[in-house]
Amino acid sequence: EADIYQTPRYLVIGTGKKITLECSQTMGHDKMYWYQQDPGMELHLIHYSYGVNSTEKGDLSSESTVSRIRTEHFPLTLESARPSHTSQYLCASSAKWVLRDYVYGYTFGSGTRLTVV
Amino acid sequence: KQEVTQIPAALSVPEGENLVLNCSFTDSAIYNLQWFRQDPGKGLTSLLLIQSSQREQTSGRLNASLDKSSGRSTLYIAASQPGDSATYLCAAEDGSEKLVFGKGTKLTVNP
Repeated sequence: EADIYQTPRYLVIGTGKKITLECSQTMGHDKMYWYQQDPGMELHLIHYSYGVNSTEKGDLSSESTVSRIRTEHFPLTLESARPSHTSQYLCASSAKWVLRDYVYGYTFGSGTRLTVV
Repeated sequence: KQEVTQIPAALSVPEGENLVLNCSFTDSAIYNLQWFRQDPGKGLTSLLLIQSSQREQTSGRLNASLDKSSGRSTLYIAASQPGDSATYLCAAEDGSEKLVFGKGTKLTVNP
């Protein structure tokens, strides 16, 4: 059973539209991530957050933006979608320690497959 | 900058065969090495995590090894089954919990 949820699963949208991809996790993880994956290619980190009000850009440049107002919620926004944004977007969260226990966990959502026409 | 390479890109085997998937990384200063499984249209499922101080990890029919000095990891799958068909991804972490992925090996196990 998934502890990290992404909506929508599939989205086809016209050029120029504003879109928000939702990601929520119920595990209380501090760290959350957005990865982008083109077909047959590796995942690339585009955004990450180490906690509330903390966001950073990843290794792959992206025109999208993110916010982290609540621990459990990490939405990704594209102000004006373009065909070059067509890709799969995967959200993930991680934690290494709970109190003194090492509980490393890295959990991915099912992804949003975005097509911009 | 860390780069992760996986070979082969695709592999097709008959059911019951043992197989090895390979992963190499350029920067040996990794914190851990993880193997994931990705099914079509779905997210990633964590299979095995090897910390930098460890040599291998086992889970059921899966065994992953890590050789930091040579920059290599292998995933061994014993007695493969059709249900093992998926793309297997290797990812290196530098301690910041950000992952650098390879392109994956697409495995097909034929009944």
